[in-house]
Amino acid sequence: AQKITQTQPGMFVQEKEAVTLDCTYDTSDQSYGLFWYKQPSSGEMIFLIYQGSYDEQNATEGRYSLNFQKARKSANLVISASQLGDSAMYFCAIGTGNQFYFGTGTSLTVIP
Amino acid sequence: DAGITQSPRHKVTETGTPVTLRCHQTENHRYMYWYRQDPGHGLRLIHYSYGVKDTDKGEVSDGYSVSRSKTEDFLLTLESATSSQTSVYFCAISVQTGPYEQYFGPGTRLTVT
Repeated sequence: AQKITQTQPGMFVQEKEAVTLDCTYDTSDQSYGLFWYKQPSSGEMIFLIYQGSYDEQNATEGRYSLNFQKARKSANLVISASQLGDSAMYFCAIGTGNQFYFGTGTSLTVIP
Repeated sequence: DAGITQSPRHKVTETGTPVTLRCHQTENHRYMYWYRQDPGHGLRLIHYSYGVKDTDKGEVSDGYSVSRSKTEDFLLTLESATSSQTSVYFCAISVQTGPYEQYFGPGTRLTVT
């Protein structure tokens, strides 16, 4: 079975600073995708970024980048220039075929 | 906006009653998913569909059934609701098969008393 581990239940970051949210995964599949989602207090799930297991370059989407270290099975999310609106829960997920597994999330608070 | 709606958005029901949650999409995506979200567990996949009348089980399928008679609708049924099924239920779509990003509906908060 796949497994996602997010070891930071809560994180704080100063506004305009960068922050890294950790995610490690465990899978025996060769082909998989890694995802990050944001869930603000309003409850919706917002897709942020995707990394395929065969992609050699780290994915980037605006202020979000995914630090993919395949040998270490880690897929950390880096948010640059944090904004107050970044305060939310962040979930890491892995997908293989049509099965998807989510981590338990990290709560990020951006301090003015 | 992936055009996904869920109904009802909130529901309170009693133990032992049947409950059906509806997910509706407007963009004819082939792949649809049902998840539940509980504190300490993140999101867990219940069932998914890869086409009309084509469905399969996810990680936590016991106690749930699904149906998809039209591309746009994916129904999740709790045949006899239990208190352990109190949760927030999310529907999601994917634009293609395989490990590609999913887009989520707004969620349904279900309370079983």
